[in-house]
Amino acid sequence: ETGVTQTPRHLVMGMTNKKSLKCEQHLGHNAMYWYKQSAKKPLELMFVYSLEERVENNSVPSRFSPECPNSSHLFLHLHTLQPEDSALYLCASSQLFNVGTSGRRDTQYFGPGTRLTVL
Amino acid sequence: QKEVEQNSGPLSVPEGAIASLNCTYSDRGSQSFFWYRQYSGKSPELIMSIYSNGDKEDGRFTAQLNKASQYVSLLIRDSQPSDSATYLCAVMNSNTGKLIFGQGTTLQVKP
Repeated sequence: ETGVTQTPRHLVMGMTNKKSLKCEQHLGHNAMYWYKQSAKKPLELMFVYSLEERVENNSVPSRFSPECPNSSHLFLHLHTLQPEDSALYLCASSQLFNVGTSGRRDTQYFGPGTRLTVL
Repeated sequence: QKEVEQNSGPLSVPEGAIASLNCTYSDRGSQSFFWYRQYSGKSPELIMSIYSNGDKEDGRFTAQLNKASQYVSLLIRDSQPSDSATYLCAVMNSNTGKLIFGQGTTLQVKP
């Protein structure tokens, strides 16, 4: 399998549930990202991992907890979510996350996303 | 002021016409610029990246960058109904390395 994969593709959960989203990249990249896409809003960056270390956390509520056990895998653990957290959650990867540089190595490639519905 | 601005549309063009999608950004130090295409219910797919002033062509797509005017555009020649999608402009923030997305422009190509 190639590219960036995400599981599950669809998830419905209650506010008291705990679930996890999984992302895997097969591109040999060193940076991985979680984005949230809500209706009528731009993609919002949630977390960035570079070389398995978190380098960015965009004031995301603690009910979202990321985990990056290695450079190929990224998880987003969910607990006590709210209905307004319903959205498309997208994982992306890039060869590098390199502040202040340009070039093709910063190009991000997205997975298919997980459509999350919180009841 | 939004960091990356796009007209949400919809932009409607007839099949075979040129579709012109525009984007402005506020960070003057930005160096990397991207256009993604997103079909309804799907994830963003990279169409073009551009790093230098001027035009960059790839098949029916041309990206244009003008850093002095803080403006990046995407032209789609010979538009096809299959080009109907939302086009996302994304700009790399020069200070943080974060990719900032616009809201997207919805393009409708009518047969």
